[in-house]
Amino acid sequence: ELKVEQNPLFLSMQEGKNYTIYCNYSTTSDRLYWYRQDPGKSLESLFVLLSNGAVKQEGRLMASLDTKARLSTLHITAAVHDLSATYFCAVEGDSNYQLIWGAGTKLIIKP
Amino acid sequence: ETGVTQTPRHLVMGMTNKKSLKCEQHLGHNAMYWYKQSAKKPLELMFVYSLEERVENNSVPSRFSPECPNSSHLFLHLHTLQPEDSALYLCASSQGQLIAGETQYFGPGTRLLVL
Repeated sequence: ELKVEQNPLFLSMQEGKNYTIYCNYSTTSDRLYWYRQDPGKSLESLFVLLSNGAVKQEGRLMASLDTKARLSTLHITAAVHDLSATYFCAVEGDSNYQLIWGAGTKLIIKP
Repeated sequence: ETGVTQTPRHLVMGMTNKKSLKCEQHLGHNAMYWYKQSAKKPLELMFVYSLEERVENNSVPSRFSPECPNSSHLFLHLHTLQPEDSALYLCASSQGQLIAGETQYFGPGTRLLVL
């Protein structure tokens, strides 16, 4: 069974701190997606990682992919309140149009 | 309108009602998706249409019936739903196949409550 596991599922942290969200998956996928969802809103694409060793950064967020370890990380640097959201990772499924999604990591950043 | 729009945003229906959810994408994409998002569960892919043809149907109960009249519009027809069908229903679109690394663009969702 294809699985995507995120860790932690809930994270409360103070502004200014650094933290990492982990995404483990069981497939042999070379591609991994990170999305963000604000409360009551839709999902917004953050990063698409297309190969082993891929690293992408935008602002205080940096995502990386290790396909050999089947692991992606989303690192938050000097967190600010605006980054409070639920973060999802997803990998390719069995078909051309399917992604397997993690359960999401709810991140709360306290001022 | 830009991006992906969905109507209605909220819907309350009884188990004997028939209703429809509408999705429209203004991005010129070729593929459209319906997802179900339930609390504390991963996103569940329900249906995928590519160039107006259904390419995915993930064991969804027949009380959910999709329709894609053209590449910009997608409907989800609902009838005799169950309370456990209450969830956020998300529509998404992509230019092409996800296996090619395409990004999906999501609508705001329809929050459905079945009484």
